[in-house]
Amino acid sequence: AQKITQTQPGMFVQEKEAVTLDCTYDTSDPSYGLFWYKQPSSGEMIFLIYQGSYDQQNATEGRYSLNFQKARKSANLVISASQLGDSAMYFCAMREGRLNNNAGNMLTFGGGTRLMVKP
Amino acid sequence: DSGVTQTPKHLITATGQRVTLRCSPRSGDLSVYWYQQSLDQGLQFLIQYYNGEERAKGNILERFSAQQFPDLHSELNLSSLELGDSALYFCASSAGLAGGPYNEQFFGPGTRLTVL
Repeated sequence: AQKITQTQPGMFVQEKEAVTLDCTYDTSDPSYGLFWYKQPSSGEMIFLIYQGSYDQQNATEGRYSLNFQKARKSANLVISASQLGDSAMYFCAMREGRLNNNAGNMLTFGGGTRLMVKP
Repeated sequence: DSGVTQTPKHLITATGQRVTLRCSPRSGDLSVYWYQQSLDQGLQFLIQYYNGEERAKGNILERFSAQQFPDLHSELNLSSLELGDSALYFCASSAGLAGGPYNEQFFGPGTRLTVL
C-alpha cells in the first residue's frame, strides 16, 4: 500500500486565489512527521511546512498552512493568495517513528502534484 | 540556497560505466541522505549516513554504494550503469536531534545523471 498518496497529478489555480493540495498518508506508528516540499522547474527541493503527529494546532508558515486531520490521515497543504511563482511540483512526505540519531528519519514521498498558477 | 552542495550538476555517461556523485552537507549537519528521483519510481530514499556510519538503507541497488568521510562529505557510487539509472540524485542533510523537532532535511540542487 502507498504510504503517501497525492491524488491530484495536476491543478490550475487563478492568481490571488487559494488552493488546496491533497495528501493522505498511511502509518501505524503513533509518532510521525509530515512535510511539504516545493520543486520548481529548476529542480531543487524547497522545504515549506511541517506538522508533527502530536501537534495540537495546524501548522502555518506565511501563505502556507496545513489542514491536518489525524483521524482521516490527511495533511492537505493550503496556499493562500496564489502567486505566479507558486507554479511548481509539490510533494507531501512523511517521516515515521520518533526522531532519533540512530536510524530512520528518512522521508517517504508521494507522487507529487503539479500546480500551475494562471495570471 | 540550502547550504548543501552537490557535484557535478549534470553527468552524461554510457551503459556499463561507473560514476561518483559527491555531496557536502550543511555546516554542522551529521546526517546525509541520498534520494533518487525518476519518472518511473518517483522520489525514493536510497541510503542514510550519520557521522560516518551507515544508518538506514532503502531501495538501493547492489550496484550502488555510498560512504561518508570524516569531513562529513558523502559520495554515492553507481556502477554497471543501465539506462534505467537515469535520474535526478539528491543529497539531503539534517542536524539530527540537534535540529529540533522538525529535523527537516535540506536538499542539495541534485545531480542529473543521463545514461546513454
